[in-house]
Amino acid sequence: EVQLVESGGGLIQPGGSLRLSCAASGFTVSSNYMSWVRQAPGKGLEWVSVIYSGGTIYYADSVKGRFTISRDNSKNTLYLQMNSLRAEDTAVYYCARGNGLGATPFDNWGQGTLVTVSS
Amino acid sequence: QSVLTQPPSVSGAPGQRVTISCTGSSSNIGAGYDVHWYQQLPGTAPKLLIYGNSNRPSGVPDRFSGSKSGTSASLAITGLQAEDEADYYCQSYDSSLSAVVFGGGTELTVL
Repeated sequence: EVQLVESGGGLIQPGGSLRLSCAASGFTVSSNYMSWVRQAPGKGLEWVSVIYSGGTIYYADSVKGRFTISRDNSKNTLYLQMNSLRAEDTAVYYCARGNGLGATPFDNWGQGTLVTVSS
Repeated sequence: QSVLTQPPSVSGAPGQRVTISCTGSSSNIGAGYDVHWYQQLPGTAPKLLIYGNSNRPSGVPDRFSGSKSGTSASLAITGLQAEDEADYYCQSYDSSLSAVVFGGGTELTVL
């Protein structure tokens, strides 16, 4: 059974850093497209970043230069390093398998982890 | 403002049919990029409902169907049930933005 479990969220001050983790089971992270999608309180879904199986990485303009996606193949875990956090980064962050294109939609999602950026 | 436009809300009585539209442009849906639909029940993570415009993942009832034409896509739900009350999101790719894009979401209320 495919399972994704996020962790690492919490309350952080503006300008701070946080690293989110997404532990996967039932499949191999490094063999799949893996993405982060966020949802601000009461708002819709926003794509954040993707890492391809070959290592190619893309970011939404809103986080480019501040967030870094990575993976640890030995731990079968996906990460999102978030620096220079802003109030508008407050959201539930979901990891998902897939890249949202064609035959690889976001077919499995974690339960999400809440990041609150506030002083 | 979302790149893909959905109605904020739709409603229907049990057993009825409802449709949710997703309007894009020539740089996303109209450019031939697939549309996927996700269902988000209250307080839970999104779940893939329709992929590749009209395909249902295993386990999704055939009451749910998707279609795409031109720069728009639609999700249809027949035989509406109380358990269908949720937010529904369409999703595609935009070549001008070089980014995955979502619709703003549609809240379905079963009367």
